[in-house]
Amino acid sequence: AIQLTQSPSSLSASVGDRVTITCRASQGISSALAWYQQKPGKAPKFLIYYASTLQSGVPSRFSGSGSGTDFTLTISSLQPEDFATYYCQQFNSYPYTFGQGTKLEIK
Amino acid sequence: EVQLVQSETEVKKPGESLKISCEGSGYSFTSNWIAWVRQMPGKGLEWMGIIYPGDSDTRYSPSFQGQVTMSVDKSINTAYLQWSSLKASDTAMYYCARGTGAGFFDSWGQGTLVTVSS
Repeated sequence: AIQLTQSPSSLSASVGDRVTITCRASQGISSALAWYQQKPGKAPKFLIYYASTLQSGVPSRFSGSGSGTDFTLTISSLQPEDFATYYCQQFNSYPYTFGQGTKLEIK
Repeated sequence: EVQLVQSETEVKKPGESLKISCEGSGYSFTSNWIAWVRQMPGKGLEWMGIIYPGDSDTRYSPSFQGQVTMSVDKSINTAYLQWSSLKASDTAMYYCARGTGAGFFDSWGQGTLVTVSS
């Protein structure tokens, strides 16, 4: 199975900061990567697919990039509602897998 | 509006059986995959497997193969996840999600909390 490793596992930042989360795949997955946001007690929310395509309705401060094995999720200017846990997911091959998550906390 | 509505919280004893459900509405249920995702307390998301309601084609993660069974009832737009003999380690939140043809999940159910305790 393809393993996804996210870094950092947790991150403290302030409102207005620019933050970047990395997701590394154990083998090449082309652009078959999605990003999700999860807030405590809630279901995950779909943000980005094919590594860089923003889902409709997702604010433009979110962006994704990468292909092959290295991917990033960037939030250009953190808003209070962005503090959450973020997961990457590969859909290149079965079994689909998630990264372990990155918890974004308020500094 | 696409909606996935899951069954309510379950509290079970080890060894008992269980079937939880996920009802889809607002889209063509038979044309989109349904995935099941486990989240153990305080942990991350784990992909359990996926089923295509149109023909019940099912793919399981090796970690869950033989441990759970996925099924659908097309007549009522509902997918199911079932266990024949629960363990304490099955305690978790279980989410269903609509899978696109590509393999990402664009709509999620609200989750079903399963607690297994003697």
